[in-house]
Amino acid sequence: AQTVTQSQPEMSVQEAETVTLSCTYDTSESDYYLFWYKQPPSRQMILVIRQEAYKQQNATENRFSVNFQKAAKSFSLKISDSQLGDAAMYFCAYRGDTSGGGADGLTFGKGTHLIIQP
Amino acid sequence: AAGVIQSPRHLIKEKRETATLKCYPIPRHDTVYWYQQGPGQDPQFLISFYEKMQSDKGSIPDRFSAQQFSDYHSELNMSSLELGDSALYFCASSWDRVSGNTIYFGEGSWLTVV
Repeated sequence: AQTVTQSQPEMSVQEAETVTLSCTYDTSESDYYLFWYKQPPSRQMILVIRQEAYKQQNATENRFSVNFQKAAKSFSLKISDSQLGDAAMYFCAYRGDTSGGGADGLTFGKGTHLIIQP
Repeated sequence: AAGVIQSPRHLIKEKRETATLKCYPIPRHDTVYWYQQGPGQDPQFLISFYEKMQSDKGSIPDRFSAQQFSDYHSELNMSSLELGDSALYFCASSWDRVSGNTIYFGEGSWLTVV
């Protein structure tokens, strides 16, 4: 079974600074997908960024980027120019390859609570 | 763009009662998932459906059941409710004809059991 570990229960960063959230995972699969979801106080689950394991290039979405190290099974999220609206719980999630059909769901880490200091 | 629609958004039930949550996936999505998130916890996978057939089962209690209908909407039925069932229930959907497509979440249904 796959596991996802987020070792930082809480992180704090000054507004406009950069912060990196850590995530490691364990899997025996070679093809899979990794995601970061954001859950603000409203508790809505919002997709932040996605990475395909077969792609060497790190995904980027505006101020959000990842550092994907497949051999190390590491998938960290970097948030640049932090804004007050970035304050939320961030979940790292793993999804196996579904090319054979079926509905392989997400395995989540325990989350990192990100605090933005004004 | 259309999102995953869940209803009701809030529900209060008494112990031992029954509750039903509904989910309407994003149009064209062929897979539906149900997750349960307790206070301060990460979402826990309950059950999923691919093309209206049950595909995978997680930590879903025997008191819970779910199904996906011909129009792809899904319902989660919870019976003999317990205080510990109080949680946020997410429905999510994806288009799995294309491998690894992103899973999108609804806004969740808050269930409070008193």
